[in-house]
Amino acid sequence: DAGVIQSPRHEVTEMGQEVTLRCKPISGHDYLFWYRQTMMRGLELLIYFNNNVPIDDSGMPEDRFSAKMPNASFSTLKIQPSEPRDSAVYFCASRRTSGGLDEQFFGPGTRLTVL
Amino acid sequence: AQTVTQSQPEMSVQEAETVTLSCTYDTSESNYYLFWYKQPPSRQMILVIRQEAYKQQNATENRFSVNFQKAAKSFSLKISDSQLGDTAMYFCAFMRGYGQNFVFGPGTRLSVLP
Repeated sequence: DAGVIQSPRHEVTEMGQEVTLRCKPISGHDYLFWYRQTMMRGLELLIYFNNNVPIDDSGMPEDRFSAKMPNASFSTLKIQPSEPRDSAVYFCASRRTSGGLDEQFFGPGTRLTVL
Repeated sequence: AQTVTQSQPEMSVQEAETVTLSCTYDTSESNYYLFWYKQPPSRQMILVIRQEAYKQQNATENRFSVNFQKAAKSFSLKISDSQLGDTAMYFCAFMRGYGQNFVFGPGTRLSVLP
């Protein structure tokens, strides 16, 4: 299995531009999570999906952020317009729920820099 | 809301020595799940060990073991025979129940010194 795949691995953009981060979860996993990691705030959950349906988006910082999961094998996190304070590492993770002790598998992350 | 606290922002240990990382959490749930994740400089998040709250026996994975104290809401990680490759950020995580999301602590940066 290839694991959770994220693209791009690095993104540098200018303030005001639209940014789209992509994630392919592990096949068969029914949960997908988007996290943001910064030095100041640590690892924050932004949103998570179950069977492609958003369950909790209370961590999405503001309306500039949106996430979609059109099918079981693909999700996007979009920031429009981007701001310098959005600079962070964004992780996607997936999990197959089988009864409790379910490991959450993380992708390698996307390092976003907004100038 | 559940919270996870890791009171040691940074720690260091000599190679081959033993180190314990602390984690406490706050919950009113009776059953839940606890995890330790490791994030080396490559930034890949890697599961180290996991524990179900209803199991009294402490989980062990090779050199890694936990001391789970349910009444004290404490879940510390012990690393024995520390190796240079153990240098990483370590995150404690709590999952309230089946199918719920994780709540992560702020992390402890561990340096293993030669």
